[in-house]
Amino acid sequence: QKEVEQDPGPLSVPEGAIVSLNCTYSNSAFQYFMWYRQYSRKGPELLMYTYSSGNKEDGRFTAQVDKSSKYISLFIRDSQPSDSATYLCAMSEGDDKIIFGKGTRLHILP
Amino acid sequence: DTAVSQTPKYLVTQMGNDKSIKCEQNLGHDTMYWYKQDSKKFLKIMFSYNNKELIINETVPNRFSPKSPDKAHLNLHINSLELGDSAVYFCASSPTGVAGELFFGEGSRLTVL
Repeated sequence: QKEVEQDPGPLSVPEGAIVSLNCTYSNSAFQYFMWYRQYSRKGPELLMYTYSSGNKEDGRFTAQVDKSSKYISLFIRDSQPSDSATYLCAMSEGDDKIIFGKGTRLHILP
Repeated sequence: DTAVSQTPKYLVTQMGNDKSIKCEQNLGHDTMYWYKQDSKKFLKIMFSYNNKELIINETVPNRFSPKSPDKAHLNLHINSLELGDSAVYFCASSPTGVAGELFFGEGSRLTVL
């Protein structure tokens, strides 16, 4: 089993819809959970950062971590065409080694 | 000012050649990384340096040799290039004590023919 699993998509949703992106993981020592957004031919940029379990909200974005199920989610409300990108989950035990999921390609249809 | 800059952005070369990619960050971070992203977008860590010292070396062939002349620079030299080395190589930096907060460069797209 891979350390971090993420459905590659593509996921296509109409503008204004709520988007749900998910990752599962196997390493129970992961403590830090991140979501990165990567536009085509650009480097990833940090979108959300959470420590341990719980929810975190930032504007239209909400990150959820369920450590008991080893499952993390990113929700995007009122999705916009500019949200079309690849979303990568990432995790760390707290050291410098950050493990990424394979990324989910998201298309928001106008 | 670009926070993490890599050169060159594009590199096309023949199998067997040697090439280098340079990275510089002006964020004052202590930790720098090289990541490799394959054609399926999978981003995999290769190396990590903290204040010029190698911290992580993730089972990368010896043909890849990172060098950090100072904490603001991390270069990657690749010897005897192979077809499978074709990928986008990303440099990143992070502040000490903030696990997972990476600042990436725009990537260097390497194509080996």
